[in-house]
Amino acid sequence: QVQLVESGGGVVQPGTSLRLSCAGSGFTFSHYDMQWLRHSPGKGLEWVAVILHDGSREYYIDSVKGRFTISRDNSENALFLQMNSLRVEDTAVYYCAKDGGYSSPDLWGQGTLVTVSS
Amino acid sequence: DVVMTQSPFSLPVTLGQPASISCRSSQSLVYIDGNTYLSWFQQRPGQSPRRLIYKLSNRDSGVPDRFSGSGSGTDFTLKISRVEAEDLGVYYCVQGVQWPYTFGQGTKLEIK
Repeated sequence: QVQLVESGGGVVQPGTSLRLSCAGSGFTFSHYDMQWLRHSPGKGLEWVAVILHDGSREYYIDSVKGRFTISRDNSENALFLQMNSLRVEDTAVYYCAKDGGYSSPDLWGQGTLVTVSS
Repeated sequence: DVVMTQSPFSLPVTLGQPASISCRSSQSLVYIDGNTYLSWFQQRPGQSPRRLIYKLSNRDSGVPDRFSGSGSGTDFTLKISRVEAEDLGVYYCVQGVQWPYTFGQGTKLEIK
């Protein structure tokens, strides 16, 4: 079954860290660029980070540069998002997604909720 | 960043009738390879987004042919020829021509 399953969300205080994981199955994980997106009531849907299929390059939106790190382990079909120095405005449902060509994800996970609150 | 502007914000529809959603980008979405990097996504209540259309007008596998995408340059349209109950939800246009890729604010398709 082709799917992505995220884990690692939760409620944390501002300034702390969280690591999200995403397990891919049913497709050749190492062949695809992967990405993290998020959905919040205030900002809607937005990309967070992208990593190329071989891990050779990463892209981040400005608001998370220097705080978040995307990584992958192709031997384990796994994608990660290390989130440091979390802010209230990082509160969102975070989705792992597989690139489906033309910079457009064709497979999404179910999402994991991250709540940053004091 | 490329700004994606959708209209309307909310679209009341009658089942069986057509529906149309517009999207405008702040710059051309034609990439150097000649393709238009515009996609459409559907998000049903309680579900993750699902891609319907990529590269302007190509339907994803399993997407009913009542959905069609069209447009050029900076103006785009998603059309549903006959709305069915399962089509209710929020629709987003997305550009992939320039990082950061960006979404429109969404159009909520609801029953009239």
